[in-house]
Amino acid sequence: QKEVEQNSGPLSVPEGAIASLNCTYSDRGSQSFFWYRQYSGKSPELIMFIYSNGDKEDGRFTAQLNKASQYVSLLIRDSQPSDSATYLCAGTFSNSGYALNFGKGTSLLVTP
Amino acid sequence: ETGVTQTPRHLVMGMTNKKSLKCEQHLGHNAMYWYKQSAKKPLELMFVYNFKEQTENNSVPSRFSPECPNSSHLFLHLHTLQPEDSALYLCASSRGTGTQYGYTFGSGTRLTVV
Repeated sequence: QKEVEQNSGPLSVPEGAIASLNCTYSDRGSQSFFWYRQYSGKSPELIMFIYSNGDKEDGRFTAQLNKASQYVSLLIRDSQPSDSATYLCAGTFSNSGYALNFGKGTSLLVTP
Repeated sequence: ETGVTQTPRHLVMGMTNKKSLKCEQHLGHNAMYWYKQSAKKPLELMFVYNFKEQTENNSVPSRFSPECPNSSHLFLHLHTLQPEDSALYLCASSRGTGTQYGYTFGSGTRLTVV
């Protein structure tokens, strides 16, 4: 059974702090992981993807992947109120034709 | 027009109606997808098309019927739906179906079945 699990939140952080969003998955046949941001009433938009163990940085965002422990995380540095959204973790799995499987998402609230 | 366009944005239909959702991508991608997004649930993959051939049907009821006439267009034909089918239906596209390709989503069709 392939599953991507996320804490639904809400996760509340003050402006300027680091927001840490976590995701675990159950299938060791996983290949790549993606983080999407979805504002209320809008469609998901791609933030980052990662497929190798370790960290990947892009501006204020850092994705971390640990395949041995089966977790993925997204760090947002210097959080801004405009970062308030739902963050969706998605993975590709070898036994599902490599289509993206999504978690429920974590709601992030950045307070001024 | 760029990106992934979905029409209509909102749709209200009775359980005996037949309607269709349309998706068009202007990104030169080869793969297209239908997802269903319901409250408190993860996005559910419904159908996958790669080079206009269906490669995955995720146990979707037959009242949902996809059609992909070419790599740029995707339809979802709806008939005799149930109230629990009310949800946001999202279309997405990607360059291919490999593991390194992220998806670009359309704005979605908010469907209400009455």
